[in-house]
Amino acid sequence: NAGVTQTPKFQVLKTGQSMTLQCAQDMNHEYMSWYRQDPGMGLRLIHYSVGAGITDQGEVPNGYNVSRSTTEDFPLRLLSAAPSQTSVYFCASSSWTSGSLYEQYFGPGTRLTVT
Amino acid sequence: AQSVTQLDSHVSVSEGTPVLLRCNYSSSYSPSLFWYVQHPNKGLQLLLKYTSAATLVKGINGFEAEFKKSETSFHLTKPSAHMSDAAEYFCVVRNAGGTSYGKLTFGQGTILTVHP
Repeated sequence: NAGVTQTPKFQVLKTGQSMTLQCAQDMNHEYMSWYRQDPGMGLRLIHYSVGAGITDQGEVPNGYNVSRSTTEDFPLRLLSAAPSQTSVYFCASSSWTSGSLYEQYFGPGTRLTVT
Repeated sequence: AQSVTQLDSHVSVSEGTPVLLRCNYSSSYSPSLFWYVQHPNKGLQLLLKYTSAATLVKGINGFEAEFKKSETSFHLTKPSAHMSDAAEYFCVVRNAGGTSYGKLTFGQGTILTVHP
């Protein structure tokens, strides 16, 4: 089991560029989510998905898009990067059975800098 | 609505002395509570979780936490700190009802420094 994998580990973008952060899990988890981590603010939920074809917004969704075409993959797209999106991004996955969410497993993170 | 407050942004202890990381929460429903640890440049690892069973929860690496409903607290403790415990710790609440069912809310984090 590779668990939750994220690529790339590091990325530098210029303002206005777009890119996709990749996330994949091999645990057959229904629930996947994206967080951003900023100093002194903990982790904040960007978007989440409870299964293929189903996504919803979290606490800070503006400037980000997601899609979930397969159970395994949950990419996060930055449409037009802004310096305020400089952050560390974590993907997480969890079982989701009868509406109960179990322990979340986190990927190693992507450190993004927007200049 | 739910929220989590970690009462100390930094805690510094000497190796071999006790560790106390404080967490208070608010939730409209009976919550589930977690502590995660993050070592530098790493992802988050679950230390322990409370899900309405025993109020004293034991986790990995000698950590434990006690759920106190009357005080709305879930403080993390360890009897004797080790150098490898130096990391950032996050208290997390998961809502058990309402429109935000299942969503996690993270505290701001506590950085634990361990001195030799």
